[in-house]
Amino acid sequence: RKEVEQDPGPFNVPEGATVAFNCTYSNSASQSFFWYRQDCRKEPKLLMSVYSSGNEDGRFTAQLNRASQYISLLIRDSKLSDSATYLCVVNAPTGANNLFFGTGTRLTVIP
Amino acid sequence: GAGVSQTPSNKVTEKGKYVELRCDPISGHTALYWYRQSLGQGPEFLIYFQGTGAADDSGLPNDRFFAVRPEGSVSTLKIQRTERGDSAVYLCASSLRGAESPLHFGNGTRLTVT
Repeated sequence: RKEVEQDPGPFNVPEGATVAFNCTYSNSASQSFFWYRQDCRKEPKLLMSVYSSGNEDGRFTAQLNRASQYISLLIRDSKLSDSATYLCVVNAPTGANNLFFGTGTRLTVIP
Repeated sequence: GAGVSQTPSNKVTEKGKYVELRCDPISGHTALYWYRQSLGQGPEFLIYFQGTGAADDSGLPNDRFFAVRPEGSVSTLKIQRTERGDSAVYLCASSLRGAESPLHFGNGTRLTVT
């Protein structure tokens, strides 16, 4: 089983729409969760960390559900510039405590 | 300040050759990661350094791959007897403390094995 699993999409949504992505993780002891954004042919960049109580940054909201072992990302009022691949990242606390990425979810916002 | 620097940005090599990929992390970052990314996939974990030591090398696909970080700063990923299947973008990232800190990625090295 993969450490982190995501629906690869693609998600094609109109401008102004609300879209949500989920990501499941396999290790119940994981403690660190992040969403990264990756534009085409660019390196991944941190979008936001995910905290236990959930957190919001402008139009972006991240939630953590420990019982079901998933994290989510909600994007409200989608902009054309939100088009990118969104990568879920989770730590693997057994052993060296490193970080694993999901395959990414591709979002295209359509005018 | 300066970000993570990776060299070369592109590398084309023939099957069977040896290559070295270099990563210069952000100053003061103790954790350094190597990932490999193929088209349409997420970054695949290869190896993680905490300081000079390889804390986890479980992602290295086989013994043709090796990485070092002798002084706890610059790291080199070494690939022997390259195969066409090694073609990918090799990404290096550093973080301040490890898994609880965000990763800062370099621009990657695009390796093409012909």
